[in-house]
Amino acid sequence: EAGVAQSPRYKIIEKRQSVAFWCNPISGHATLYWYQQILGQGPKLLIQFQNNGVVDDSQLPKDRFSAERLKGVDSTLKIQPAKLEDSAVYLCASSFGSTGRRNEAFFGQGTRLTVV
Amino acid sequence: AQSVTQLDSQVPVFEEAPVELRCNYSSSVSVYLFWYVQYPNQGLQLLLKYLSGSTLVKGINGFEAEFNKSQTSFHLRKPSVHISDTAEYFCAVSGGSNYKLTFGKGTLLTVNP
Repeated sequence: EAGVAQSPRYKIIEKRQSVAFWCNPISGHATLYWYQQILGQGPKLLIQFQNNGVVDDSQLPKDRFSAERLKGVDSTLKIQPAKLEDSAVYLCASSFGSTGRRNEAFFGQGTRLTVV
Repeated sequence: AQSVTQLDSQVPVFEEAPVELRCNYSSSVSVYLFWYVQYPNQGLQLLLKYLSGSTLVKGINGFEAEFNKSQTSFHLRKPSVHISDTAEYFCAVSGGSNYKLTFGKGTLLTVNP
């Protein structure tokens, strides 16, 4: 079974530039998550999708971050314009659903963003 | 709102010694609990999970955890660690109307020879 795919693995950009990350979840998984993990900290949820609808985006900095999952499958997370403090690993995860055994989240390898 | 507190940011141990990584959570509703492991430059891998039933759950690589509802804890244990267990360990809780998955800040386990 293929896992959660993310690209690119690494990205270096200058501040004020824009960047986009892509995630393809495990086939059949309805729930998709984007997390931000700053060095030395635990992952922080940015946005959670259920199919193509947003369930939670309370911690997404909406003035610069956006995410979409148009067909309920793959997803894109964008930052525009980037700031130095956006340097982090961006993790995508997916699960069958939200309840019970369906709640187990599988993670991709992440995209390491460095803003200089 | 739910939250997770991992009481130790770093835990150094010697090889073959037992280890316990502590996790406490807070939530006003029933929750699911998870432990994930993260090796350098990798994503998170599920070690074990508590959904319901027996409060002692066993996971991969010889790890186990015990759910204690009265103490709101979910401590991770291994009776004998190996060098290869060196990694960051994250406790996570999921609950509420949308089962948002919330992580602790992590515990770096370093196993020394």
